[in-house]
Amino acid sequence: GAVVSQHPSRVICKSGTSVKIECRSLDFQATTMFWYRQFPKQSLMLMATSNEGSKATYEQGVEKDKFLINHASLTLSTLTVTSAHPEDSSFYICSAGRDGRNTEAFFGQGTRLTVV
Amino acid sequence: AQSVAQPEDQVNVAEGNPLTVKCTYSVSGNPYLFWYVQYPNRGLQFLLKYITGDNLVKGSYGFEAEFNKSQTSFHLKKPSALVSDSALYFCAVSTSNTGKLIFGQGTTLQVKP
Repeated sequence: GAVVSQHPSRVICKSGTSVKIECRSLDFQATTMFWYRQFPKQSLMLMATSNEGSKATYEQGVEKDKFLINHASLTLSTLTVTSAHPEDSSFYICSAGRDGRNTEAFFGQGTRLTVV
Repeated sequence: AQSVAQPEDQVNVAEGNPLTVKCTYSVSGNPYLFWYVQYPNRGLQFLLKYITGDNLVKGSYGFEAEFNKSQTSFHLKKPSALVSDSALYFCAVSTSNTGKLIFGQGTTLQVKP
């Protein structure tokens, strides 16, 4: 199957700093990627749809200025958590679907963000 | 609006026994249905999907699921559970081929020796 690589797998940062998380499709092109957030023992909540070469589409209630998404190439999307606070601590997961095919989404391994 | 429900927070089975993890969905249009498994602090691993065709779908690790349109269900099953099957299972639905998914709440499967 296709591979999606997410980096870093875990990060600890201080309140007020920004953190960038990368999501790469290693062996296929993805004009669309998705960013999810997962709280402990809860489901995945879609945060935004990342569109290559254009602005991301955010779900209701997700702050655009807080969670900056950039999808500059067909294989890379980045999520930057700006001015992080402890309540931003969570597990963030990206996914990508292979374009033109109604196939399953492929998920990265996730990033555990802890803001102290 | 699309939604997915997994009515059981946790399912407990003994090793060697059959297991069922329930999922019902609500969508307008034809659904694309998926099952994923998640191990602690890991991403999601694909198990199986229903797009069209046979209602019984076979997937990875011996899992299968049956699409039931009249009951709007897509229950995950396995004839003989293994301790290593213990994990968090998510049912998901999409009505497009973009990869955008709506997830159920997740069901923790505990398989005891």
